[in-house]
Amino acid sequence: EPEVTQTPSHQVTQMGQEVILRCVPISNHLYFYWYRQILGQKVEFLVSFYNNEISEKSEIFDDQFSVERPDGSNFTLKIRSTKLEDSAMYFCASHGGTEAFFGQGTRLTVV
Amino acid sequence: AQKVTQAQTEISVVEKEDVTLDCVYETRDTTYYLFWYKQPPSGELVFLIRRNSFDEQNEISGRYSWNFQKSTSSFNFTITASQVVDSAVYFCRTTDSWGKLQFGAGTQVVVTP
Repeated sequence: EPEVTQTPSHQVTQMGQEVILRCVPISNHLYFYWYRQILGQKVEFLVSFYNNEISEKSEIFDDQFSVERPDGSNFTLKIRSTKLEDSAMYFCASHGGTEAFFGQGTRLTVV
Repeated sequence: AQKVTQAQTEISVVEKEDVTLDCVYETRDTTYYLFWYKQPPSGELVFLIRRNSFDEQNEISGRYSWNFQKSTSSFNFTITASQVVDSAVYFCRTTDSWGKLQFGAGTQVVVTP
């Protein structure tokens, strides 16, 4: 069973600090996504990434956020200066044509 | 754009009762995929089932069953003889022919002993 791996599983950071959330998508997949879920709320789309560039982003994905694929395998989400309201579960997904696979999520807590 | 509606915010049942979760979707695509996920309190998304738009066969997996009705754009999920471990948030999701994913708002299921 193919697997998307996210690290860390839980990160606590101070407000204003930068965080990088890491994802290793499934190796032959071409589409990558980040989703966010604030505690008790729905899963919200942040950004999709294809062919080494952003293909779509939501209103949530402002200038504080960035994504990249630094080495051809990892797919990262960077939050430049975290705010309390960035505390959420962040899910990475990769898509290989007909099916998307989700990672286990990173729980980000901003204090 | 696709839209997924899970009208039930929370369902509370007593153990051994059946519970049905509704999912209604809107799409203009002829090819799309439907999914259900379970999200336990630990937070991860646990994949339960995937269906494509051409496969209207209902499916049963243990105590879980799914009823896909293309005519009403619904993909409902039933847990038979619910157990406390079934307590979780359940999300319905679609993928359109462009690979765009869309989640419903989720239904919280609370099963009490």
